[in-house]
Amino acid sequence: QVQLVQSGAEVKKPGSSVKVSCKASGGTLSSYATNWVRQAPGQGLEWMGGIIPMFGTANYAQKFQGRVTITADESATTVYMELSSLRSEDTAVYYCARSPILLGPSNEPYYYYGMDVWGQGTTVTVSS
Amino acid sequence: AIQMTQSPSSLSASVGDRVTITCRASQGITNNLGWYQQKPGKAPQLLIYAASSLQSGVPSRFSGSGSDTDFTLTISSLQPEDFATYYCLQDYNYPWTFGQGTKVEIK
Repeated sequence: QVQLVQSGAEVKKPGSSVKVSCKASGGTLSSYATNWVRQAPGQGLEWMGGIIPMFGTANYAQKFQGRVTITADESATTVYMELSSLRSEDTAVYYCARSPILLGPSNEPYYYYGMDVWGQGTTVTVSS
Repeated sequence: AIQMTQSPSSLSASVGDRVTITCRASQGITNNLGWYQQKPGKAPQLLIYAASSLQSGVPSRFSGSGSDTDFTLTISSLQPEDFATYYCLQDYNYPWTFGQGTKVEIK
């Protein structure tokens, strides 16, 4: 069973960037959508964006456009999320999560089957 | 972006109660909806995908229904381990969006 292992907690200054990794233990993420979800203290879940490594392109929530970049390494065992221009409101737990995909007749993503495997979460604290 | 309106935001229930949580999408999403359970300090866990399919390993007291814009998560007989916060998520199109969450507390 694949597990997603995230990098450790980070403390960052306002205006800086953070890069969080999500490594698949026991498999690859090539043909899955890997998503990033964050949760600010006492708040709900917020989808930030996702990538399907076999296609290479990422999709992002409008709120984070221009500040977030999601990438995958060549082996598709590790996915990264980089968030720039950090502010105090970015203090949160950041999760990666895998979604199985059904491909359509033209080999495009046709259906997603929910986020079935999650990382343990990475706490990012933004403070001066 | 598609908005997901979840209700109630919280509820109090007793062990053995039947609990229903609803999620309404601002536009049709066919059956592209999942339900997640989250306990304090833990990552969310997938309960239901494709609106009504039970994720492997999830107890059968959990069920989902609905399509298009209206969806329901039902816990047929609430157990002590079910006290948690529940979220719906639409993965019909990007950006994916969560409901606001429903906290299920002990009465």
